[in-house]
Amino acid sequence: NAGVTQTPKFQVLKTGQSMTLQCAQDMNHEYMSWYRQDPGMGLRLIHYSVGAGITDQGEVPNGYNVSRSTTEDFPLRLLSAAPSQTSVYFCASSYHDRGYEQYFGPGTRLTVT
Amino acid sequence: AQRVTQPEKLLSVFKGAPVELKCNYSYSGSPELFWYVQYSRQRLQLLLRHISRESIKGFTADLNKGETSFHLKKPFAQEEDSAMYYCALITGGGNKLTFGTGTQLKVEL
Repeated sequence: NAGVTQTPKFQVLKTGQSMTLQCAQDMNHEYMSWYRQDPGMGLRLIHYSVGAGITDQGEVPNGYNVSRSTTEDFPLRLLSAAPSQTSVYFCASSYHDRGYEQYFGPGTRLTVT
Repeated sequence: AQRVTQPEKLLSVFKGAPVELKCNYSYSGSPELFWYVQYSRQRLQLLLRHISRESIKGFTADLNKGETSFHLKKPFAQEEDSAMYYCALITGGGNKLTFGTGTQLKVEL
């Protein structure tokens, strides 16, 4: 199993550009989520999904869109990038059950200039 | 609202010394707490969870509901323990994780 994969690993955007961060998992996990990691702020939940066709907002959803058309994929879209979105983005997945371990992807380092 | 507090950004200890990484939480419901670890150039991974009451790599953590704490402890630090440690709390009816700000543990020789 590849586990949770993310592409790209690095990305530089200009303010106002849009892009999609890709996330995929091959463990048949129902639950998937996106976090951003910023120095001194830990990981903050952006959006999450409890199954195909179902998404919900996390703590910091503004400026990001998600969709979940399949169990495997959970892309994160930046509609109009801003310097405040410079961060490391992590995707995670788990079984939809309390107490189950979340598996994280390797992260995407995004810089917005 | 739920909150996880890790008061130390950086903790330096000598090899062989005891380690305690502090975590306090605020949550009105019944908490489920975790410790995640991120080693250098590796992805975040689960270290332990309070419901399983297990010891992983010599680390233990006890949930103290009276003090709303879930401190991570190890009696003798090893060099390979150097990493970023995050305390996390599951809230709501699903798997929403609220993370603390993390503590960087540095074990010196």
